[in-house]
Amino acid sequence: SQTIHQWPATLVQPVGSPLSLECTVEGTSNPNLYWYRQAAGRGLQLLFYSVGIGQISSEVPQNLSASRPQDRQFILSSKKLLLSDSGFYLCAWTRGGAGNSPLHFGNGTRLTVT
Amino acid sequence: GNSVTQMEGPVTLSEEAFLTINCTYTATGYPSLFWYVQYPGEGLQLLLKATKADDKGSNKGFEATYRKETTSFHLEKGSVQVSDSAVYFCALSSGAGSYQLTFGKGTKLSVIP
Repeated sequence: SQTIHQWPATLVQPVGSPLSLECTVEGTSNPNLYWYRQAAGRGLQLLFYSVGIGQISSEVPQNLSASRPQDRQFILSSKKLLLSDSGFYLCAWTRGGAGNSPLHFGNGTRLTVT
Repeated sequence: GNSVTQMEGPVTLSEEAFLTINCTYTATGYPSLFWYVQYPGEGLQLLLKATKADDKGSNKGFEATYRKETTSFHLEKGSVQVSDSAVYFCALSSGAGSYQLTFGKGTKLSVIP
């Protein structure tokens, strides 16, 4: 069966510090991978998605970036965090297009920027 | 562009009460519609889905019918339990081959004994 791992579960970082969140998927190959952010009262916002190694699409311009160095690994990064980057970050995967395959989410990382 | 509007929460119900969470959407073409549930401290899980007009998705006693004429996908359950306390998200995809879902803001449900 497929599983998705996301870490760390919680993170407190000062403004201006770097960020690296990692997500890995097991039990499937060539998944589509996604990073979402969930801010209080604002629902889910798609940040990045990837349909293959090295292929990243950005949905929202900001100081975050994503990389996919391996087929089942997806990393969310920032060189300098802002207070507004605080939120709950969710990694997800699908098999094929999201319209015909459900999104499977990790348990999320709660990021607090102080 | 696509958008999803859900009723504002939080919603507080007594155990065994009837639940309705309203969801309406705006989309071009023929979207697929979803309800996701997020239990405290966890990621989202797919609850149910419908891929064409008049389809009814159902799971764990929850139901939602894809109404194209009213562009709605309301979530219902006849008798809620304390374990149903969670945040519920309505979402749409613009169809097969789409690479993203558009989510509503979520509705927090609290069920009290």
